[in-house]
Amino acid sequence: EAQVTQNPRYLITVTGKKLTVTCSQNMNHEYMSWYRQDPGLGLRQIYYSMNVEVTDKGDVPEGYKVSRKEKRNFPLILESPSPNQTSLYFCASSFTGMLYEQYFGPGTRLTVT
Amino acid sequence: KQEVTQIPAALSVPEGENLVLNCSFTDSAIYNLQWFRQDPGKGLTSLLLIQSSQREQTSGRLNASLDKSSGRSTLYIAASQPGDSATYLCAVRYGNNRLAFGKGNQVVVIP
Repeated sequence: EAQVTQNPRYLITVTGKKLTVTCSQNMNHEYMSWYRQDPGLGLRQIYYSMNVEVTDKGDVPEGYKVSRKEKRNFPLILESPSPNQTSLYFCASSFTGMLYEQYFGPGTRLTVT
Repeated sequence: KQEVTQIPAALSVPEGENLVLNCSFTDSAIYNLQWFRQDPGKGLTSLLLIQSSQREQTSGRLNASLDKSSGRSTLYIAASQPGDSATYLCAVRYGNNRLAFGKGNQVVVIP
């Protein structure tokens, strides 16, 4: 089954404790992206990647890191999480051609205390 | 910067009525527009994708139109059902494969 998977689905952590949220897709998509969703602010893009070893900042990259060492994986790293990073995070992927739709993962609900 | 607006933010309709959801975007240089459905606390389900060269797309009771020059899209849901209650999001693909979302139309269909 074609899908985007994220792990963990739920995470409660403390301020400053490094964490990684994994994202994996099995559709051979070149493009992958991370979003956060907050009440009243909607979905905002954090980082995106056009292909392996190619990443770029989205609208809200501060406090996040990403890497793209393999085509199927695009982990999101929070080196020193803070409470304002409490949010619902989504990973998405697609082919890079403009004709293609984006596929979203199920989301990761992160709480930083 | 591309900005996407969805009006109304929330609406309630009686079962059986047609739903009309509006999406506007500030920069008409888009590649495509995608409508999603999101249930509370859940992920995004893709409903329809309209390419910039297209005027509309249809899937079952759903029909989406696109007027790129005026920066508008409309999602029509015919004969609404309680199961259509959800938040509907539109997103435009532009620039270097960027995606900009509206904040959504929160829909409640009353039985």
